[in-house]
Amino acid sequence: GENVEQHPSTLSVQEGDSAVIKCTYSDSASNYFPWYKQELGKRPQLIIDIRSNVGEKKDQRIAVTLNKTAKHFSLHITETQPEDSAVYFCAASTDRRSWGKLQFGAGTQVVVTP
Amino acid sequence: NAGVTQTPKFQVLKTGQSMTLQCAQDMNHNSMYWYRQDPGMGLRLIYYSASEGTTDKGEVPNGYNVSRLNKREFSLRLESAAPSQTSVYFCASKDRKQTYEQYFGPGTRLTVT
Repeated sequence: GENVEQHPSTLSVQEGDSAVIKCTYSDSASNYFPWYKQELGKRPQLIIDIRSNVGEKKDQRIAVTLNKTAKHFSLHITETQPEDSAVYFCAASTDRRSWGKLQFGAGTQVVVTP
Repeated sequence: NAGVTQTPKFQVLKTGQSMTLQCAQDMNHNSMYWYRQDPGMGLRLIYYSASEGTTDKGEVPNGYNVSRLNKREFSLRLESAAPSQTSVYFCASKDRKQTYEQYFGPGTRLTVT
């Protein structure tokens, strides 16, 4: 089955700096890659996603890049703010075959210090 | 719309006790999922239901059973709780036809002593 590895496990950044989280996946058939943000004690919420036919997607201060050849994708947060502090999870899915089953990475704790 | 709701929010069980976690969604979604979240391990899929009337095992199904009661409701049952099942449990749902986004419930924090 699919295996998703996520790095780093913790990331501390100064407010205003950029944060980058990287994930690798094992199943070349994976075609959907979402990123979820989870604040302390809250539910995971989708912040951005990318399909395998696109190399990059941007939404204001967040962007995701996908390298299908290398089987890795990354989340980029620019101009970080204290409210970006949370745990971020990447995931991968072979949606068509598996009814949208997501394989999650272990998560990255991001701390933005003022 | 309430989205995805879960009950209870918190539960403490003794080893060997049984309980059912309830999940309901009001978004008319076809697919529903149960995950468990443990520190440092992300979210792991326990069971899923692609559509009403079907259920399938995920990555960590041992010790659990599920019922897709109708299109709205998907319950998770622990027949004989073990300390290893101490975790936060999330239910999620997805509209198979429209988008790929999964919508999560608020979670149930379960402690087994």
